[in-house]
Amino acid sequence: AVQLVESGGGLVQPKESLKISCAASGFTFSNAAMYWVRQAPGKGLEWVARIRTKPNNYATYYADSVKGRFTISRDDSKSMVYLQMDNLKTEDTAMYYCTAGGFAYWGQGTLVTVSS
Amino acid sequence: DVVLTQTPPTLSATIGQSVSISCRSSQSLLHSNGNTYLNWLLQRPGQPPQLLIYLVSRLESGVPNRFSGSGSGTDFTLKISGVEAEDLGVYYCVQSTHAPDTFGAGTKLELK
Repeated sequence: AVQLVESGGGLVQPKESLKISCAASGFTFSNAAMYWVRQAPGKGLEWVARIRTKPNNYATYYADSVKGRFTISRDDSKSMVYLQMDNLKTEDTAMYYCTAGGFAYWGQGTLVTVSS
Repeated sequence: DVVLTQTPPTLSATIGQSVSISCRSSQSLLHSNGNTYLNWLLQRPGQPPQLLIYLVSRLESGVPNRFSGSGSGTDFTLKISGVEAEDLGVYYCVQSTHAPDTFGAGTKLELK
């Protein structure tokens, strides 16, 4: 069965950094574009970042709200995808979901709280 | 970026009632490859979203056939033919035709 398991969330102060991870299993990870989607408390879904596959040069894309601060990466040998978040702001507080397969597969999410 | 406008924002239904949710796009979602990358998701309380419909009208494996999707270009509809208690939650449309992917604001389905 397909599994996506996020980890690494927590409480950080504004302007600090945090790296969250997603471990994938049950599908051919190297063939899948991977996404991070977030959901602020009581709000809707917001696409954050996307990374394509090796044949597509691992191209990355970002929402304007995080461009220049967040970096998505992947390690196909470990079936892992990461989100490095720098210069965090209070408005980045959200549940962060890892998703793949055209939004067919979702993890349970990892909560990131940015507060002083 | 493509804006997806969902209506209504809230929908009250009784068990067994049929309901529809609209998703309108600010531009055509027909890709140059002929596909239309418009999906529907359901997020139950406290759960991650789950995929219901992909490519406008294709039912995801394991999803009951009371769910159906239709539409083309800029206008899309999700229909539930006979609401069941487990269908309660927030429904989102999402497009992947144009980068970046964008989500509608959601439609909350609740019991009347």
